[in-house]
Amino acid sequence: DTAVSQTPKYLVTQMGNDKSIKCEQNLGHDTMYWYKQDSKKFLKIMFSYNNKELIINETVPNRFSPKSPDKAHLNLHINSLELGDSAVYFCASSPMLERPMGNEQFFGPGTRLTVL
Amino acid sequence: GQNIDQPTEMTATEGAIVQINCTYQTSGFNGLFWYQQHAGEAPTFLSYNVLDGLEEKGRFSSFLSRSKGYSYLLLKELQMKDSASYLCAVRPDNTDKLIFGTGTRLQVFP
Repeated sequence: DTAVSQTPKYLVTQMGNDKSIKCEQNLGHDTMYWYKQDSKKFLKIMFSYNNKELIINETVPNRFSPKSPDKAHLNLHINSLELGDSAVYFCASSPMLERPMGNEQFFGPGTRLTVL
Repeated sequence: GQNIDQPTEMTATEGAIVQINCTYQTSGFNGLFWYQQHAGEAPTFLSYNVLDGLEEKGRFSSFLSRSKGYSYLLLKELQMKDSASYLCAVRPDNTDKLIFGTGTRLQVFP
């Protein structure tokens, strides 16, 4: 009965490689997100999709490409990995609620990416 | 720019009360969230404020003053399991984008 799941949980790879992280939510939410949490625990939004449409695209290198095949899935592909990409990547989802309701975000368990 | 400030670390004793402050300067304001994150785990939602005042939820309360750009999270009857990072986040516009502070690491001692 996992709400937001991510695979893999750990990913260790060499610089220059291409890798993907997958995210799935079974909450029926319309909106999904990718966040990056660096070594100082600073959590920063990267992308947001609503019903497969890109809504938020922060200043992220274009080596990062999200893809949403349907509203329950949001994958993140990273090309030409660099040392600075090492971080924990969290997927999250939220329902579409009318303001001023909270639209809390539900986070997945995270993927710890280590680039050597 | 967007700026959210919280103390980096706090300590408290089991059974006590602790207040974690958050000040923000953002391009707009459409709500403030508090999340709890235990080491190695995902953030989990604690509270949401969009109007001025206090929201109470069991042992946890959150306060907001929009005119002062200020919020606090109040934790009462502290338990060891409350040792975690507490993240303040602001939604600056009408999207669901959240701007997070760097978090406050709280350690509860017996």
